[in-house]
Amino acid sequence: NAGVTQTPKFQVLKTGQSMTLQCAQDMNHEYMSWYRQDPGMGLRLIHYSVGAGITDQGEVPNGYNVSRSTTEDFPLRLLSAAPSQTSVYFCASRPRTTAYGYTFGSGTRLTVV
Amino acid sequence: AQTVTQSQPEMSVQEAETVTLSCTYDTSESNYYLFWYKQPPSRQMILVIRQEAYKQQNATENRFSVNFQKAAKSFSLKISDSQLGDTAMYFCAFTLQGAQKLVFGQGTRLTINP
Repeated sequence: NAGVTQTPKFQVLKTGQSMTLQCAQDMNHEYMSWYRQDPGMGLRLIHYSVGAGITDQGEVPNGYNVSRSTTEDFPLRLLSAAPSQTSVYFCASRPRTTAYGYTFGSGTRLTVV
Repeated sequence: AQTVTQSQPEMSVQEAETVTLSCTYDTSESNYYLFWYKQPPSRQMILVIRQEAYKQQNATENRFSVNFQKAAKSFSLKISDSQLGDTAMYFCAFTLQGAQKLVFGQGTRLTINP
């Protein structure tokens, strides 16, 4: 049981480039989310999904796009990378029952130069 | 909007001591959940303990326990018999029943010294 798997673990992009951060979970969780972690600011929600085909914006969605074609996968796309998107990105999933909390992936450290 | 505040940016204790990390939150809702997550240098976010707001009994997981004061909107984490492996960033987090968003505090960097 792998849990939540994120790839890549590290990435360096040039300003203006696009890329996709991959996230997959094998726990059959309905809910999945993307967070970014910046120093001194905790984690902030970018986008989330409550099931295949359903996504919505979090508190910092600008510059990011998501889709969810299957229960397992929830990729995050950076459309045109900017230095302000330098951060650590976490994918997380949870079952329908809120009490269980989220299971997080190991994160992707992204640097935009 | 819900907010979570961790007032201790850094803490340091000796191995085997007991340490308490503070967390306060603000909400006008009554059905919610609180969590403590641990982030060691490996960067992985690990769920340490959870508390359901409707439960009066404080949650306990081995050496980790919480002091949940609903009226005061306080949710502190106590680590007993601290170990070197407890060295990490600790985040307090809040979510409403059925909500998709976890609201995180700024984190407390805990160092356990040998």
